[in-house]
Amino acid sequence: DGGITQSPKYLFRKEGQNVTLSCEQNLNHDAMYWYRQDPGQGLRLIYYSQIVNDFQKGDIAEGYSVSREKKESFPLTVTSAQKNPTAFYLCASSTPRHGKGEYFGPGTRLTVT
Amino acid sequence: AQSVTQPDIHITVSEGASLELRCNYSYGATPYLFWYVQSPGQGLQLLLKYFSGDTLVQGIKGFEAEFKRSQSSFNLRKPSVHWSDAAEYFCAVGAGNYGGSQGNLIFGKGTKLSVKP
Repeated sequence: DGGITQSPKYLFRKEGQNVTLSCEQNLNHDAMYWYRQDPGQGLRLIYYSQIVNDFQKGDIAEGYSVSREKKESFPLTVTSAQKNPTAFYLCASSTPRHGKGEYFGPGTRLTVT
Repeated sequence: AQSVTQPDIHITVSEGASLELRCNYSYGATPYLFWYVQSPGQGLQLLLKYFSGDTLVQGIKGFEAEFKRSQSSFNLRKPSVHWSDAAEYFCAVGAGNYGGSQGNLIFGKGTKLSVKP
């Protein structure tokens, strides 16, 4: 079955360490997205990519970095510059066709102490 | 700029009762509108979407939503709620030239639904 895989489900890191969250999709979607979710805040866009080797900053990109070397993969690195990294991170993908919506992965909960 | 408002942070309904979750959007053109549901600790699942045609759209799990341009609303409804419907619900609108240069969604802050037995 096609879908989006995020790993791991739970991730723990010490403050000051960079950490990379994995996102893989086999839906053949061109566009991929990273959102951050905090209680009561809804979803906020971190980065998005419309095509391989290209990506754009979203609303809260500071302290994060991404790469898009393959169509199927869009890893997110949470750097030590991110002041409040503990959150639930959701990866999504979509086709460029209008109105198709986005398909979401199961999410990764990152805890930094 | 596009925006989505979900006025109700938390709603509690009795099992078997009807449900309406409110969503208001701000967008200058014909919007692409979506409702998603999220169970605790899980990703989001698409319930239904609207981008043209009939303003009453049917979705999965017995949900429907009605697009009202005059009220800038896209409220989600269900005639009879089941205990398994307890979750958080998010309304979203297609951002920018959706399907074009940007393509991401703008989400409301969500409405948490609790169901009383």
